[in-house]
Amino acid sequence: GESVGLHLPTLSVQEGDNSIINCAYSNSASDYFIWYKQESGKGPQFIIDIRSNMDKRQGQRVTVLLNKTVKHLSLQIAATQPGDSAVYFCAENGSSNTGKLIFGQGTTLQVKP
Amino acid sequence: GAGVSQSPRYKVAKRGQDVALRCDPISGHVSLFWYQQALGQGPEFLTYFQNEAQLDKSGLPSDRFFAERPEGSVSTLKIQRTQQEDSAVYLCASSSGSGRTEAFFGQGTRLTVV
Repeated sequence: GESVGLHLPTLSVQEGDNSIINCAYSNSASDYFIWYKQESGKGPQFIIDIRSNMDKRQGQRVTVLLNKTVKHLSLQIAATQPGDSAVYFCAENGSSNTGKLIFGQGTTLQVKP
Repeated sequence: GAGVSQSPRYKVAKRGQDVALRCDPISGHVSLFWYQQALGQGPEFLTYFQNEAQLDKSGLPSDRFFAERPEGSVSTLKIQRTQQEDSAVYLCASSSGSGRTEAFFGQGTRLTVV
């Protein structure tokens, strides 16, 4: 069935280093993907999105890469800061008509000072 | 307010009790979603409204779960005869359109059934 999953449950990086969080999806028909950041006790916060007609999209300190051939999505965070510590979820648009999202289980990013 | 507001933030219910969770979406947002997030898991879709119409309720786990949005703005998620497995964070999100549109989440309501 459809699923969106993450390779690693926890990622620990040094402050100032770059972080890469990976995600695999199984539905080849998926055409829209989003990365969310969730801090403890808060709702998911939109980071960046990408449509399936793109391979790469850049935001402020973040880049999302999409490889449709192997159904892989990644989030790159440049110069990781302590404030980046959170759980990161990739999500797939489960319905292009409604915007219903299918989330992965999440990767915890820990930034060491 | 500027964001999605949910109330209460925390709710403790005795097993068998009915609960009602409220969501105030961003003003003017036509789309509203409810998600359930178990501890350590990603959010799971429950139901979707476009204005006052509930267009997708495929994620509601049982007929004990009921959602409404009668005037196309505020929404209420009601859970009847709560069970321990209902314990989770219930998240509401809204967006200005449908389909590939950024959704904004509220802080959620943490429901604990004892």
